[in-house]
Amino acid sequence: GAVVSQHPSRVICKSGTSVKIECRSLDFQATTMFWYRQFPKKSLMLMATSNEGSKATYEQGVEKDKFLINHASLTLSTLTVTSAHPEDSSFYICSARGASGVSYEQYFGPGTRLTVT
Amino acid sequence: ELKVEQNPLFLSMQEGKNYTIYCNYSTTSDRLYWYRQDPGKSLESLFVLLSNGAVKQEGRLMASLDTKARLSTLHITAAVHDLSATYFCAGDSGYALNFGKGTSLLVTP
Repeated sequence: GAVVSQHPSRVICKSGTSVKIECRSLDFQATTMFWYRQFPKKSLMLMATSNEGSKATYEQGVEKDKFLINHASLTLSTLTVTSAHPEDSSFYICSARGASGVSYEQYFGPGTRLTVT
Repeated sequence: ELKVEQNPLFLSMQEGKNYTIYCNYSTTSDRLYWYRQDPGKSLESLFVLLSNGAVKQEGRLMASLDTKARLSTLHITAAVHDLSATYFCAGDSGYALNFGKGTSLLVTP
C-alpha cells in the first residue's frame, strides 16, 4: 500500500514555543490530507482537512490560529502548533487520500507524539 | 453528521474463544473501515467494506457490513494473544473518516 511519513516521530517542547509537524505522501500524490489528534486511551478526532493549494478546513472547536496547516504541494502538508501549552500534548496523526487510483483509501502516517513541558 | 458507535469498548477474552465487536453508524456511509492500533502506534488498516453484504476475512478476523441495518461487525475466531490491541471502526461520509471510540481487546491465556 501507499506510504505516508511523519516527522518528527516524537518531540518535546517548552510551553510557549511552536512546533512544526510534517506529513508526506511518499509514493503518491495526495490531493487531500487530514490531521487527527488522539489523547491517551481515546479515539481519533479530526482537527482539519487540508487540500493542496487552498486553505484548510477546520473542525468546530479547533483554533485555526493555533494549529496552522499548510498544504503546499501534493506530497506535503504541515501542521504547526503555535504557542504550545501542556494541554496540546497529544498524538498527532495525519492521513492522505490519493489524487487518482483507489480514491476511497486513506493512508495513515505513523504519528507524532508531542509533549509540551 | 455521521456518528459511529462501537461496542463493547473493553473486551477481555480467553485464547481460543470467539467474539464479535459491533459498529453502528447513524447515517448513510459510503464505506466502513476497520483499523487496529497497538499501544504507541498509528493505525493499521484491516478492512475496507464497500457495499451492503460485503464480507472480508484475514486470518482470525472477519468483517461484514449491513448497510440497511447500518451495522458492521468484526468477528474474532479462536483468539490468540497477538490480537490484543485496540480496534476502531470508522465511517466515511465522503469528507473524512468518523471514528468510533474503539474497542480495547485483551486476549488472555
